[in-house]
Amino acid sequence: DGGITQSPKYLFRKEGQNVTLSCEQNLNHDAMYWYRQDPGQGLRLIYYSQIVNDFQKGDIAEGYSVSREKKESFPLTVTSAQKNPTAFYLCASTNSWGGNSPLHFGNGTRLTVT
Amino acid sequence: GENVEQHPSTLSVQEGDSAVIKCTYSDSASNYFPWYKQELGKRPQLIIDIRSNVGEKKDQRIAVTLNKTAKHFSLHITETQPEDSAVYFCAARNTGGFKTIFGAGTRLFVKA
Repeated sequence: DGGITQSPKYLFRKEGQNVTLSCEQNLNHDAMYWYRQDPGQGLRLIYYSQIVNDFQKGDIAEGYSVSREKKESFPLTVTSAQKNPTAFYLCASTNSWGGNSPLHFGNGTRLTVT
Repeated sequence: GENVEQHPSTLSVQEGDSAVIKCTYSDSASNYFPWYKQELGKRPQLIIDIRSNVGEKKDQRIAVTLNKTAKHFSLHITETQPEDSAVYFCAARNTGGFKTIFGAGTRLFVKA
């Protein structure tokens, strides 16, 4: 079905390497988000973007970077500066900025760094 | 800062019983409250939401109540079934803003 596609589903990297997680949406949504999920915790906001070429830090942006060159794409780079990168990463979008529109999530990427 | 507390963290019920999950929020400007269900290894999916001008909303076996004065909102699942077993997240957002704040989640087990 149409929606948000995250790839890959599983990703393994060695410590010290940067890695980029892909997020593509065909919902024509303006706003896109990256969340991190750790066991026993809720979703924590890493970065968000309201429009193309604009993005803002969330609550846990350190060690991450993003870009928003196209409306449908919002890739997340996990850099070597991120101290504890192993986690489940979820990309999401909404069809309006704030408002009452719910988040639509991708299927997530499980990143393991050893 | 903005915070959403969710209880209990784990809930086990017998099939057919009701389940109640409670959340409190700190930002008095919050006025949109979605609930998400996440099955193991999958993405969270919206199951119901409520806006601050409404006190209660029902959708078949699921209902949500909101008490803005007390900053409490709750999810009620009646006639639980094994397929209701999942992690449930409450969330709150100020609709003038961008940030959705999530609770830590409740793992619901429905025993057949």
